[in-house]
Amino acid sequence: DQQVKQNSPSLSVQEGRISILNCDYTNSMFDYFLWYKKYPAEGPTFLISISSIKDKNEDGRFTVFLNKSAKHLSLHIVPSQPGDSAVYFCAASARETSGSRLTFGEGTQLTVNP
Amino acid sequence: NAGVMQNPRHLVRRRGQEARLRCSPMKGHSHVYWYRQLPEEGLKFMVYLQKENIIDESGMPKERFSAEFPKEGPSILRIQQVVRGDSAAYFCASSPQRGHEQYFGPGTRLTVT
Repeated sequence: DQQVKQNSPSLSVQEGRISILNCDYTNSMFDYFLWYKKYPAEGPTFLISISSIKDKNEDGRFTVFLNKSAKHLSLHIVPSQPGDSAVYFCAASARETSGSRLTFGEGTQLTVNP
Repeated sequence: NAGVMQNPRHLVRRRGQEARLRCSPMKGHSHVYWYRQLPEEGLKFMVYLQKENIIDESGMPKERFSAEFPKEGPSILRIQQVVRGDSAAYFCASSPQRGHEQYFGPGTRLTVT
């Protein structure tokens, strides 16, 4: 049962434009959501997180939006840069019930073209 | 402030041998997690430990896999009698408190021949 899904395996955008990565989840107990970036042969790098009590969190070029009723979150990167090219993972946890365990999506490969 | 350290970065084992993967959390972090990434898949949770305690091992295979986080020294993920299906990237993460963002190490890539 895939509780966190990233339906787009890849996304290609032009430098300077907006990148929008999407993530859907099924477990209504999830209350904390995170985005990670991963380069080949490296570990995931934490980007930004959001608690279920919020619907938006912003950090520099990165903004995460949470729509609890739709069980959907998205990561916006503006403006996109070639160095942003990586695999992006959405992750979720149900902190109240299952503690700190993160459930990851399958990832979306973002390519930013110069 | 050093990040999460994992060693070795690459490990080759023959079928039936034992694999030992080490993880040193970030300074000040007492919560350690292990995840596995099989080829072409996302990361899957294996185990969550604090010093001298296993908190959640619901993602660990029932046989051949064990983990520890002793009072002194790194956390160890141990795989006995490895099989080809154990070939994967194993990532360790740490956090300062339960329920906070987790910071990942570079991973250990295990190849079973």
